[in-house]
Amino acid sequence: GAGVSQSPRYKVAKRGQDVALRCDPISGHVSLFWYQQALGQGPEFLTYFQNEAQLDKSGLPSDRFFAERPEGSVSTLKIQRTQQEDSAVYLCASSEVTGVGQFFGPGTRLTVL
Amino acid sequence: AQSVTQPDIHITVSEGASLELRCNYSYGATPYLFWYVQSPGQGLQLLLKYFSGDTLVQGIKGFEAEFKRSQSSFNLRKPSVHWSDAAEYFCAVGYSGNTGKLIFGQGTTLQVKP
Repeated sequence: GAGVSQSPRYKVAKRGQDVALRCDPISGHVSLFWYQQALGQGPEFLTYFQNEAQLDKSGLPSDRFFAERPEGSVSTLKIQRTQQEDSAVYLCASSEVTGVGQFFGPGTRLTVL
Repeated sequence: AQSVTQPDIHITVSEGASLELRCNYSYGATPYLFWYVQSPGQGLQLLLKYFSGDTLVQGIKGFEAEFKRSQSSFNLRKPSVHWSDAAEYFCAVGYSGNTGKLIFGQGTTLQVKP
């Protein structure tokens, strides 16, 4: 596709439910990033993949958060036992190589009730 | 720890007036610097970036930014603002030798008066 796509665009979950958020990066992009953007804040780094390898997961806030990119293309961010503080926009970004500027998807807005 | 500060949370300018959005970063080595724009319900769009070389960089939509090492700043400018520039603007910093993750400022909301 022409850009990074994410699905679903909106997700409402009851507290305690598990959710899965999908990211389709730009074709051929090696690097893939996940960010969390709380209301009124700038995005905060969650995790980074180079192809299928997860090289940095230092930003994941708890062990309830898990990300994968098994074939080096599509990535899924999974949140288990969602809590209200998980409500945010989750942004995915990709780039050809690191440091050249990341292209962002439209995000998934997660609301946990 | 690395950080990015955007001192102005909200700025209002008249259409046709000039604009400057401030950004300061905290990091020892030469960083990679970016400005992104986010319209409501949209993802982040890259306006411009600085890696090395000429400290004045040109971007899309008539924006430019100047890297000043002595001030640890990377301010965004536009000589004449259009109503369609109303959005949220984020400054971000990355650096070589790591994963390439970006550290973002809190953002500046730009309102344009007719």
